[in-house]
Parts: sequence; structure tokens; C-alpha cells
Amino acid sequence: DGGITQSPKYLFRKEGQNVTLSCEQNLNHDAMYWYRQDPGQGLRLIYYSQIVNDFQKGDIAEGYSVSREKKESFPLTVTSAQKNPTAFYLCASSTVREWGEVYTFGSGTRLTVV
Amino acid sequence: RKEVEQDPGPFNVPEGATVAFNCTYSNSASQSFFWYRQDCRKEPKLLMSVYSSGNEDGRFTAQLNRASQYISLLIRDSKLSDSATYLCVVNNNQGGKLIFGQGTELSVKP
Repeated sequence: DGGITQSPKYLFRKEGQNVTLSCEQNLNHDAMYWYRQDPGQGLRLIYYSQIVNDFQKGDIAEGYSVSREKKESFPLTVTSAQKNPTAFYLCASSTVREWGEVYTFGSGTRLTVV
Repeated sequence: RKEVEQDPGPFNVPEGATVAFNCTYSNSASQSFFWYRQDCRKEPKLLMSVYSSGNEDGRFTAQLNRASQYISLLIRDSKLSDSATYLCVVNNNQGGKLIFGQGTELSVKP
């Protein structure tokens, strides 16, 4: 079955370290997204990519970086410049169907700074 | 002002109750509207899309009022399994980005 795979499910990072969160999809979707969710809040957009080798900043891009070298993959790096990285990170992809745009979410990575 | 705002929760209701969630959005050019359900520590899952004519799916009814920029979700005959956070989501068709409200938590008690 097609879907989005995020790994790892849980990640612990020491302060000052960069970490990379993996997101892979086999849905042949063109667009991919990274969201961050803090407790009691909705999802906020970090970065998105509508096509390979192109991506745009979302609302909270500072301290994060991404790449889109392959259609299937959209890794997110949380750098040491991100001051409060502890959060739930969700990757999504989308495609346009006859009835509208269809989104699929991964199961998330929970990042904790220790 | 947030782009998408929802009723602050939590809502605590008994089984069988009818509960309504409200949501407003600020961008009048918004094109698509959705309700997502999110269980604790899980990813959001699409509950239903919202259309101008209103739409119903079993016990769930969604309404959209474009003039007032207002979206609602009505759940009838609440079940214990309806306990979750409900997210109001808007697509402004700007790069396909979804804009999420902060969510409203529902707890259905026996």
C-alpha cells in the first residue's frame, strides 16, 4: 500500500546538535510539506515543496532546512539555531484529483531536546 | 488575528449528546475547507470536506457560510470513540498549503 513513512518515531537530541528527520512517500505525489505541532496547538507550516529541487519557507522556517532531491523524499534538518525544537513533526504530501486536492500525513516524529 | 480560529475547548459531553464546533477564517479568498480529527499523539486524519451547500456523513454534518467566513461541525449521538481533537483546516490555494486551527478537544463520557 502507498503511504508516507516518517522516521524515527521518537528522537532525542542534545542541545547544539543538528538532527535530520526522514520523510519518504511512494504515492507519486508532487507536493510535500513539513509541519510542527506543539501541545494544545494546531499544525504550523515549516517548509513545503511543490516540485523536485524546489522548496519554499513556511511560517516558521527559522532554524530548519530541507532538501528535495528526489520526488519521494523530503528530509527536514533541525539545526542548532532552532531555539525550541521539542515538538511533534508531521510530514505530508498532496496531489490534485478530479474532486480536489488530496493530502496524506505521515505518523509523525516526536523530537525531544535533552 | 489568526488565519483560522476555533472554539477553545475542551468540550466534555455525555454519550448521546449533540455537540457543535465552530471555526472562523480570515482570508475571504479561501477555497477549500476541511475538518480533521486527531487522536492523542497521532497524525491528523481527514474527517470530511466542507462544501457551501453543507454536507452530511452519518452522524456528522458540516456547514460553510462564506459570507460570514464561518465553518461548523455538528456531531449527533456522540460516541465514546468520538473523543479526539477536531481541527478546522483551510486551503487558500497558495501553493497547496493547509492552514490549521488550534483544534478543539472533545471528550465523550459514559
